Amino acid sequence: DQQVKQNSPSLSVQEGRISILNCDYTNSMFDYFLWYKKYPAEGPTFLISISSIKDKNEDGRFTVFLNKSAKHLSLHIVPSQPGDSAVYFCAASPLQGGSEKLVFGKGTKLTVNP
Amino acid sequence: DGGITQSPKYLFRKEGQNVTLSCEQNLNHDAMYWYRQDPGQGLRLIYYSQIVNDFQKGDIAEGYSVSREKKESFPLTVTSAQKNPTAFYLCASSPTGTGGYGYTFGSGTRLTVV
Repeated sequence: DQQVKQNSPSLSVQEGRISILNCDYTNSMFDYFLWYKKYPAEGPTFLISISSIKDKNEDGRFTVFLNKSAKHLSLHIVPSQPGDSAVYFCAASPLQGGSEKLVFGKGTKLTVNP
Repeated sequence: DGGITQSPKYLFRKEGQNVTLSCEQNLNHDAMYWYRQDPGQGLRLIYYSQIVNDFQKGDIAEGYSVSREKKESFPLTVTSAQKNPTAFYLCASSPTGTGGYGYTFGSGTRLTVV
C-alpha cells in the first residue's frame, strides 16, 4: 500500500510558466511534508517543507500548499526555469511519533522547455 | 567540509556473490538510512539506524544486511538472497528530532548484476 502518491510520472512546462506538482497521502499520522529534487545519478537534495500546522510555505520561486482535509499537497514553481528540470519527490514523516523515517512518493519528472 | 560519501559510484557483481556498499558521514548525525531506487518506484527504505549498534528493517530488507559499529559508518551488504539487486542505492543521514528536514543524501551507488 502506497502511503505517499505522486500520480503524475512526468510533467512538461514552458520556461517562465508555472509548474504544479501534486502529491497525495493516506496516513493521518503524517504531520511533516517535504519536497526533494533529484538530478540523474545524484542524491536527492532538500527543497522545501511544511508542517501540518501550516497550509502554505514559500521560499523564493517555490511554494508548497497543504490541504489536510484532502490529504493533498502541491509544489508550485514560478517562474519555471530550465535548471528546474529534475525528478521531484514528495516525502512525509510522522514527526510526532519521534521517527525520522521518511516515506517517499514515486517521483514526478519535470521538464522545463526553453 | 561535512558530507556523506558513498563508494564505489558504480559496482558490478556476479550472480551469487555478496557485495558491500560503503556509506560514511562526517556530519555527526545519529541516524542513517539506506534506500533503493528503481525506475518508476521512487525511493524505498531498506534499513535504518537511529543509534550505534542498533538498526531496524525498512520496507524491503529481505536479501540485505547492515551493521552500525561506528556512528560515521553504515555499510550495506547485498547478499545472494536478494533476487533483483540491480538498482541505484542511496545512503542518507540525519540528526534526530528534525522530522526529515535534516536528511543529507550521498551521491549513490549504481549496482549492476552481470
